[in-house]
Amino acid sequence: QVKLQESGPGLVKPSETLSLKCTVSDDSFRSDNFYWNWIRQPAGKGLEWIGRIHDSGATKYNPSLESRVSMSADTSKNQLSLKLSPVTAADTAVYYCARSWVYGAMGNVFDYWGQGILVTVAS
Amino acid sequence: DIQMTQSPSSLSASVGDRVTITCRASQAIMNSLVWYRQISGKPPKVLVFGASRLQSGVPSRFSGSGSGTEYTLTISSLQPEDFATYYCQQHYTTPYTFGQGTKVEIK
Repeated sequence: QVKLQESGPGLVKPSETLSLKCTVSDDSFRSDNFYWNWIRQPAGKGLEWIGRIHDSGATKYNPSLESRVSMSADTSKNQLSLKLSPVTAADTAVYYCARSWVYGAMGNVFDYWGQGILVTVAS
Repeated sequence: DIQMTQSPSSLSASVGDRVTITCRASQAIMNSLVWYRQISGKPPKVLVFGASRLQSGVPSRFSGSGSGTEYTLTISSLQPEDFATYYCQQHYTTPYTFGQGTKVEIK
C-alpha cells in the first residue's frame, strides 16, 4: 500500500514562497499510470485542487492559481514538490498530496492521500 | 469551472438511520462523480467513484447513484464511524472541483 508524506515549513511570511515536498513510499511514483496531485483545505472549509504532475514531467494547474504555482518531480527520490508564490493569508490551509489514476474508471480519482501539512501564512 | 453544489450542508441523524446526500453539477459530468468521507483531522477517503462504483474495502451500506448533473450518496444504516463530512468531486475535467461538504452529526 503506497504511503505519501508531506513535508516543509509550517509558517511562511506574506509575499514569500511556500515550498512543500511529498515523498512517495514506492516505485509507483515512476509509473505512467498515475498523476501526483496537490490539494488544499483551509481550516473548516472545503477542498481545492491545486494541480498535478505526471512522471513524464507534464503538469496541469488550476487556472485560479496557475500564475503563482509550480510543481516538479524528482524521480530519483520519489518526491514531488510544490511552490506557491507570492503567498497571502488566504493561502493558509492544510496541504495534501494525493495520487490519481491516469486512465480507466478511476481516472482522476484521488485514491491515496498524505496526512496533510498545515501551512500558516503570517508575519 | 464546473460548480458542484451539495445538499444539505449539514444534517443530524442517529445510528441506524438511512441518510441521503445530493450533489448537483453545473453541467453534465458523464457519471464522473466521486464521494469521499472525511473524518476530522484526517484526509478524505474514497467511498464511491464513477457515480456508483463502490471502492474496494468500502462497506456495502454505502451506495451511489445518479446521472447527468444530479447524483446521490446513500448510507443505508448509519454507523458511529460515519459521523463525518462528505464531499463530492467531479473527475470529468480539470480543474477538478469539489462540493462544499455535508456534515453528518449525531442527533
